[in-house]
Amino acid sequence: NAGVMQNPRHLVRRRGQEARLRCSPVKGHSHVYWYRQLPEEGLKFMVYLQKENIIDESGMPKERFSAEFPKEGPSILRIQQVVRGDSAAYFCASSPLSGGSKNIQYFGAGTRLSVL
Amino acid sequence: EDQVTQSPEALRLQEGESSSLNCSYTVSGLRGLFWYRQDPGKGPEFLFTLYSAGEEKEKERLKATLTKKESFLHITAPKPEDSATYLCAAGQAGTALIFGKGTTLSVSS
Repeated sequence: NAGVMQNPRHLVRRRGQEARLRCSPVKGHSHVYWYRQLPEEGLKFMVYLQKENIIDESGMPKERFSAEFPKEGPSILRIQQVVRGDSAAYFCASSPLSGGSKNIQYFGAGTRLSVL
Repeated sequence: EDQVTQSPEALRLQEGESSSLNCSYTVSGLRGLFWYRQDPGKGPEFLFTLYSAGEEKEKERLKATLTKKESFLHITAPKPEDSATYLCAAGQAGTALIFGKGTTLSVSS
């Protein structure tokens, strides 16, 4: 079974451009989470989505950042007008529908965004 | 404020030298304590989930334990391939994980 797939693995953008990060969850998983990891910092939650719904976006900056998880296709994290402070590793995780012991989040390899 | 604190930040061991990593947490509505391993340039890899105080889980040279305030990851007779950053995270109902900053373990032969 394929795990969580993220692409691209590395993304370079100039200030003011848009960055689009993609995440395909584990087959059968309907919950997707996005996290950001800055150098020397821990993973910080950004947004939690289910198919076609944003459940919790409390960790996502109000401006320039958006996320979606359409009925078909991967989840997308979009960063508009990137700034140097957006440079980080962005990780996606997915979990199965049910809770309890099956609510384990499985992570992708991440997208490393560099803003020049 | 909900938070997870890991110590030490870095740990250097000789091969075969057992030790423990600490994860203390203050989280309301805890629904699970998770341990992950992260290698450089890769995503976190799931190791264990603990749900109640007194629970223990083992995998090869690793054993995780949980109390009401903290969790320990015990490493017995480590090998160089155990070198990685170990992340602790607290899960709350219906939402995301709260991560600590991790402990970077280096095991030399």
